[in-house]
Amino acid sequence: LAKTTQPISMDSYEGQEVNITCSHNNIATNDYITWYQQFPSQGPRFIIQGYKTKVTNEVASLFIPADRKSSTLSLPRVSLSDTAVYYCLVGDKRDDKIIFGKGTRLHILP
Amino acid sequence: DTGVSQDPRHKITKRGQNVTFRCDPISEHNRLYWYRQTLGQGPEFLTYFQNEAQLEKSRLLSDRFSAERPKGSFSTLEIQRTEQGDSAMYLCASSLGSRPIGGYTFGSGTRLTVV
Repeated sequence: LAKTTQPISMDSYEGQEVNITCSHNNIATNDYITWYQQFPSQGPRFIIQGYKTKVTNEVASLFIPADRKSSTLSLPRVSLSDTAVYYCLVGDKRDDKIIFGKGTRLHILP
Repeated sequence: DTGVSQDPRHKITKRGQNVTFRCDPISEHNRLYWYRQTLGQGPEFLTYFQNEAQLEKSRLLSDRFSAERPKGSFSTLEIQRTEQGDSAMYLCASSLGSRPIGGYTFGSGTRLTVV
């Protein structure tokens, strides 16, 4: 399983776009990049998954450069309710389990 | 279907007591996972089931821990002779297949406090 590195914490303000970058230098050919969000006292929630280029859904966008050694989760126009921990995970769809790192604590300020 | 349910939400127990947690996965999901999470850390994998078979156990899962999934539906996680270090949030997740599009669905967890 490829190791990921992401910032421990970030602060931003309501209405801003927030970009969280994750490094995964040892990503393998069959690996996908997945992001989860976790609010206090809740389990993680799947946000978005991608393999290359750009993926967008109703919650976020995921940008993956051609070398796939990093990825950026983009949250448009954040609100206070986006305050959470965001986890970047890398793994093969055939993996039997997912492994979490420490994640990025995002704090949105009014 | 209301998602993954865990019971109880909170449990306080004295050191040395046994505790059991229950997880009800999404009904059509064949895989069920248990994770443990301590303050400031990401969830740590403990074990997973495919249907009723327990296919992998982490070395974090000491002999005091046992998990079952009879009939491939709900699962229980039992901790015997609890220790203060067992205090954590215990999370259950389920999925259809190994790495499904849409990820795993997690429950809200059971927070265990050992005093």
